[in-house]
Order: sequence, then structure tokens, then C-alpha cells
Amino acid sequence: QVTLKESGPVLVKPTETLTLTCTVSGFSLSNARMGVSWIRQPPGKALEWLAHIFSNDEKSYSTSLKSRLTISKDTSKSQVVLTMTNMDPVDTATYYCARIPLRSLRYLDYWGQGTLVTVSS
Amino acid sequence: EIVLTQSPGTLSLSPGERATLSCRASQSVSSSYLAWYQQKPGQAPRLLIYGASSRATGIPDRFSGSGSGTDFTLTISRLEPEDFAVYYCQQYGSSLITFGGGTKVEIK
Repeated sequence: QVTLKESGPVLVKPTETLTLTCTVSGFSLSNARMGVSWIRQPPGKALEWLAHIFSNDEKSYSTSLKSRLTISKDTSKSQVVLTMTNMDPVDTATYYCARIPLRSLRYLDYWGQGTLVTVSS
Repeated sequence: EIVLTQSPGTLSLSPGERATLSCRASQSVSSSYLAWYQQKPGQAPRLLIYGASSRATGIPDRFSGSGSGTDFTLTISRLEPEDFAVYYCQQYGSSLITFGGGTKVEIK
């Protein structure tokens, strides 16, 4: 059974760095075909892709947020970590992680429940 | 970066009716890299269609996807009460993933 679960702070202050962890089960981060993406959704708005990572450490980032994002993985812990620097109130959103089941197709088949992060002083 | 534009923004229909949702890309997208998701309030998105026309596991056959190049369509042949939700298209190209702005299918 494939599951993904996001964890991290509920509230961060402006200018702080956000660190989110996605803990996966039911598949391995060492699987060459699979990857993990981070996606966010501000309240009442559309989905926005942030980044993804594969087993060989191939990484890609959203063009608009690239300078603020870092994605990494700890295969032994089955975790993917996303950091976002210089947080602003406009970054308030539900943050999701999701699995890419096939490197060759890049769709997202299993999603975590999401974690709401509020940016406020 | 490829921009996806979904239309209409809102679709008001009755149960049993046919829903046709459009996703237009700013440049050509490989059909292999086009997917559709359904999202209900308070829930994570659910994969419906990948590769433009392949249904994901467990998705009813009233959902179908079609299209190529810059124009893609999600069709729900007969709306069931549980189908009223927001639908997003997603593409992959040049190492980037982008989502459309969504279409809300609401009960008329």
C-alpha cells in the first residue's frame, strides 16, 4: 500500500526558512523508475508544482521559485525534504507531496493528504 | 515554460448530463505527458487520466481523455453526484511540470 505523508511547521514567520518532510511507504526512493514531487495550493487557488527528485538525484525546480527551493532525499529513511527560503505571506498554502510512478511519463499517482502552512508574523 | 489554460472556469450541469472540459497548451505537448486530476473540497487531487487518454486504476469508464498537440479534452459521459468537483490538467515538458487553472463542475 503506497502512502505519502507530509510533516512540518503549521506556522512560519516572514523571512524564515520552511522545511517540509515527505515520508513515503509502499515503494522505495531507490526505485529507478519513480520520483517524488512537491506541489502547493494557496487557499481557493490552483495547484502549483514546486520541484521533483528521482533516485539518481535528478532534480528539477519551478522556474519562478528555483532560487528559493532545495529538494533532497534520504533513501534510508524513505524521506524527501523540501526547503523554501525567505517565506512570505503569499506562500501560505497547502503543501502536498506526490509520487511519480514512471520517470518516462511524469504524472502523479499517489498524493499525501497535504499540510497547511501559514506565513504570518 | 508551457502554460495550460482550462475552460470554462465553471461548468454548471445536472446529474446525468455530459461534461466536456478543455485544456489548451501554449505550445505543443506530447500526449504521453498530459494528465487530468479531480479534486474535491478538503481532499488531495486524485489522478484520473494519464498519457492523455489512459484511465488510472479504479477510474470509472464514464471518464475519458482525448486530444493532441495543444488541445486536450476530458469528457465525463454522464455526471454522477460524486463527480461534482474541480478538475485540473497537468503537463510535463523541458524538465518542468505545470498545472492548468482548473475547471469547477457544479450542480445546476
